[in-house]
Amino acid sequence: AQSVTQPDIHITVSEGASLELRCNYSYGATPYLFWYVQSPGQGLQLLLKYFSGDTLVQGIKGFEAEFKRSQSSFNLRKPSVHWSDAAEYFCAVVIYGGSQGNLIFGKGTKLSVKP
Amino acid sequence: SQTIHQWPATLVQPVGSPLSLECTVEGTSNPNLYWYRQAAGRGLQLLFYSVGIGQISSEVPQNLSASRPQDRQFILSSKKLLLSDSGFYLCAWSDDFVGTSSYNEQFFGPGTRLTVL
Repeated sequence: AQSVTQPDIHITVSEGASLELRCNYSYGATPYLFWYVQSPGQGLQLLLKYFSGDTLVQGIKGFEAEFKRSQSSFNLRKPSVHWSDAAEYFCAVVIYGGSQGNLIFGKGTKLSVKP
Repeated sequence: SQTIHQWPATLVQPVGSPLSLECTVEGTSNPNLYWYRQAAGRGLQLLFYSVGIGQISSEVPQNLSASRPQDRQFILSSKKLLLSDSGFYLCAWSDDFVGTSSYNEQFFGPGTRLTVL
């Protein structure tokens, strides 16, 4: 069955440090991949997405992600974390059932930022 | 521009009581609409989606139901709430889905926090 795995439930980094959040997927075809961010008590905001082409995609707020087909991974990175990046991050993949594509989410990684 | 609204923002209900959560979208027509639930430690789970008025697809068997009485209105309901229905409910919309080789980005509402006591 298709699935998305985010192996890290909670990560703490110091402000200004680099960040990498891991995401692995299980899907037979070429996936559409997404990273969303959720601030406490808020809805989800799309950070970036990969459909095809260049495997390194740039997103909003200085985030980027790299699609590695050989590793079935789509890790999210940021070179220097800001305190406002503290939030929960969700990786997602689209799967198709009939003519409808639906998002399957990982369980999320909560990011805490130390001053 | 398009906007999506959910209400109420928070809700505390006793076990066995009914539920009605509403989601409306403005600035678009014939959107695809989605209900997700986010339970602690379990990520987001798609509950229902709708591609048109009166057309509802259920992704998981559960105590909840959904309806789409108008093009841009999506309602999540229950006749009798269970403790396990507690969670954060998110509504989302996307443009009308076209073909099997494309995907339209989903835009999420602010959510409703439901606590069942």
